[in-house]
Amino acid sequence: GNSVTQMEGPVTLSEEAFLTINCTYTATGYPSLFWYVQYPGEGLQLLLKATKADDKGSNKGFEATYRKETTSFHLEKGSVQVSDSAVYFCALDSGGYQKVTFGIGTKLQVIP
Amino acid sequence: DTGVSQNPRHKITKRGQNVTFRCDPISEHNRLYWYRQTLGQGPEFLTYFQNEAQLEKSRLLSDRFSAERPKGSFSTLEIQRTEQGDSAMYLCASRVLDASGETQYFGPGTRLLVL
Repeated sequence: GNSVTQMEGPVTLSEEAFLTINCTYTATGYPSLFWYVQYPGEGLQLLLKATKADDKGSNKGFEATYRKETTSFHLEKGSVQVSDSAVYFCALDSGGYQKVTFGIGTKLQVIP
Repeated sequence: DTGVSQNPRHKITKRGQNVTFRCDPISEHNRLYWYRQTLGQGPEFLTYFQNEAQLEKSRLLSDRFSAERPKGSFSTLEIQRTEQGDSAMYLCASRVLDASGETQYFGPGTRLLVL
């Protein structure tokens, strides 16, 4: 079956630091890959996506590249802000009904 | 805004009571999904509708849970005889075909607390 493994948090960074959150996946076929973000008390927001190998998704300074050879989709940002503090979920969808499989989530805390 | 909406946003109930949640997907989306998210975990798939047909149900969906989408538009999720283990965030999503392919968009969720 499909699965997503992401690094456990919490991750605490100072403002303007470089961020990497690792994500690897197991899936049959050719899944689409996603990063969702969840701010405290809120639902999930799509942050970025990639639909095929070597695609790079990017949004709000975040980016991730679909690496089929390493089955990875690591999230990066060059300079984090306090407002980036949230929980980040790596996810994939595949199969006939395209339901999404999520990782456990990584909590990011950015301190001034 | 024509995003996915869910009601209520919060629900507190006593063990043994029935509760019902509603999801209004993005207009004209024929695919609708329900997920459950417990504290500190990622969301887990519960069930899927294509139009009014319920095509897949997770084994997480016990017989106390029932979901409907009677006219292929909004959907309801009912939990009968609630248990404390049902306390979670219940998320609804609908699927859209956009410029970069198909993407699943989530509603804000209904947070359920069973006392």
